[in-house]
Amino acid sequence: DVKVTQSSRYLVKRTGEKVFLECVQDMDHENMFWYRQDPGLGLRLIYFSYDVKMKEKGDIPEGYSVSREKKERFSLILESASTNQTSMYLCASSPPTGRRVYNEQFFGPGTRLTVL
Amino acid sequence: RKEVEQDPGPFNVPEGATVAFNCTYSNSASQSFFWYRQDCRKEPKLLMSVYSSGNEDGRFTAQLNRASQYISLLIRDSKLSDSATYLCVVINQAGTALIFGKGTTLSVSS
Repeated sequence: DVKVTQSSRYLVKRTGEKVFLECVQDMDHENMFWYRQDPGLGLRLIYFSYDVKMKEKGDIPEGYSVSREKKERFSLILESASTNQTSMYLCASSPPTGRRVYNEQFFGPGTRLTVL
Repeated sequence: RKEVEQDPGPFNVPEGATVAFNCTYSNSASQSFFWYRQDCRKEPKLLMSVYSSGNEDGRFTAQLNRASQYISLLIRDSKLSDSATYLCVVINQAGTALIFGKGTTLSVSS
């Protein structure tokens, strides 16, 4: 079974703090994704990566950056957390199809981040 | 038109009922479609892909109507365990990412 793990289930941070959210997958997937999910807005793509050291902006990249130093790990970074970044953050990975996505995405359990 | 639109519901049905969800999409060039299921406080999981000819998996049937740009999910003989949010998913125009609808909530009661 594919397993996608996220470093924390719940996280509370203060405005202005730098926040790291870690995601690890164990199935050698090339594609990895970061989403946030908010009530009434659904899942929105922040960033994705189709290879080590490669990254592409999703629909809402502002205020976020990412790092993909190893194939199995994709990190989301909030350089200076703000209250409007309070959300559920979901990481996902999918089997290798290069930059194109045709396959099922496997999600981690999510990190509920609260910024005070 | 928004990229992917779903009726948010909630759909409240008794056990054994048949229920159908529709989803419309704006990109006529989309090639791949999926239904995901998300249980309360859990991550989304793939329920089924949607093929051009329509496909069935047990009590679940997915249909694609390219001319009208919508996909549907039919659930027959609803079970309590079907209570969840169902997400309609379409490939984006560049083919590089999935676009998720906001989801339709189903509540099945005894």
